[in-house]
Amino acid sequence: AQSVAQPEDQVNVAEGNPLTVKCTYSVSGNPYLFWYVQYPNRGLQFLLKYITGDNLVKGSYGFEAEFNKSQTSFHLKKPSALVSDSALYFCAVRDMIAGFQKLVFGTGTRLLVSP
Amino acid sequence: NAGVTQTPKFRVLKTGQSMTLLCAQDMNHEYMYWYRQDPGMGLRLIHYSVGEGTTAKGEVPDGYNVSRLKKQNFLLGLESAAPSQTSVYFCASVGPSAGGTEAFFGQGTRLTVV
Repeated sequence: AQSVAQPEDQVNVAEGNPLTVKCTYSVSGNPYLFWYVQYPNRGLQFLLKYITGDNLVKGSYGFEAEFNKSQTSFHLKKPSALVSDSALYFCAVRDMIAGFQKLVFGTGTRLLVSP
Repeated sequence: NAGVTQTPKFRVLKTGQSMTLLCAQDMNHEYMYWYRQDPGMGLRLIHYSVGEGTTAKGEVPDGYNVSRLKKQNFLLGLESAAPSQTSVYFCASVGPSAGGTEAFFGQGTRLTVV
């Protein structure tokens, strides 16, 4: 079965500094990888995805993610963090069962950006 | 353009009571899902549906039932609530847009079973 791991429960960064939220994956075949963000008391929102092509994927709100096949990683990055980026971030991988697709989520990483 | 709407947003149940959570999407999506979110465990799939009239079990289906009588609605039922079902429940849908990969989520239902 496909799975993703987020090794950090929380990441702290100062506003204006670069941020990285880590994700590693375990899949058979070519991975479909995603990042979602959850703001307080809200549902998850799609940020970006990697299916194929360029290893650097750009998404919403200035976020990007780097797909690294040799390290089986898909880390989320942003060059300059904002206080408003503080939220819960989930990495996910698509799993296929009998032709049906579902998302398998990591445990989430809380990002705290301090002023 | 509402997207995915969940009702209710909050609910407190006593052990043994029953309730139904409603998910409605207006994007004509085929796939719909129910997840539960618990601290430190991410989102876990309860049940899913690949189309009207079809449902299937996910990772944690015990204690829940679902129905998809209309394409736009996906209902999650708890017949006899237990404290272990205290959680935040999310509905999601996936359709042919965005390559059929992007999931759209509702705002969640926070359920407390006492």
